[in-house]
Amino acid sequence: DAGVIQSPRHEVTEMGQEVTLRCKPISGHNSLFWYRQTMMRGLELLIYFNNNVPIDDSGMPEDRFSAKMPNASFSTLKIQPSEPRDSAVYFCASSSRDRNSPLHFGNGTRLTVT
Amino acid sequence: TQLLEQSPQFLSIQEGENLTVYCNSSSVFSSLQWYRQEPGEGPVLLVTVVTGGEVKKLKRLTFQFGDARKDSSLHITAAQPGDTGLYLCAGPNTGGFKTIFGAGTRLFVKA
Repeated sequence: DAGVIQSPRHEVTEMGQEVTLRCKPISGHNSLFWYRQTMMRGLELLIYFNNNVPIDDSGMPEDRFSAKMPNASFSTLKIQPSEPRDSAVYFCASSSRDRNSPLHFGNGTRLTVT
Repeated sequence: TQLLEQSPQFLSIQEGENLTVYCNSSSVFSSLQWYRQEPGEGPVLLVTVVTGGEVKKLKRLTFQFGDARKDSSLHITAAQPGDTGLYLCAGPNTGGFKTIFGAGTRLFVKA
């Protein structure tokens, strides 16, 4: 298995531009998570899906952030418009539904908004 | 709100030394997981502990889950430069399937 695949690995954009991050979870996993990691705040859960349905988006910072999961093999996280404070590493992770199942993380997208 | 507090935040040691890092909460967790994250990569699972008092060993790493399932520790024997990384503890929240992470312990092992 190729693991969780995220793209792009790096994204540099100007303030006000739209940014779309992509994720392909591990085949057969039915839960998908988007996290943001910064030095100041650590790993923060933004949103998670179960069977393609958003279950909890309470971690999404504000309306500029949106996430979709149109099918079991693809998810996007969109920021529109982007701001410098959105600069961070964004991780996608997937797991099976068992409570004790580990999260399998992608290698992240490093976003820099200038 | 369930929180996981990790200590120390940062640890720099010489190769060959032993160390212990801690993960504490005022809440009970059904399980706790330890992950290691290296620069430029996502966290990777090391171990899951489920039973209070459980001890698991992974080569030079020893993980313990507290009897009350509110805390855990990771002990590394004879640390090596390859152990350098960010060590994160994590656990499922009570009400659902969210995984809560601690802030992590950043370990640097000098050769």
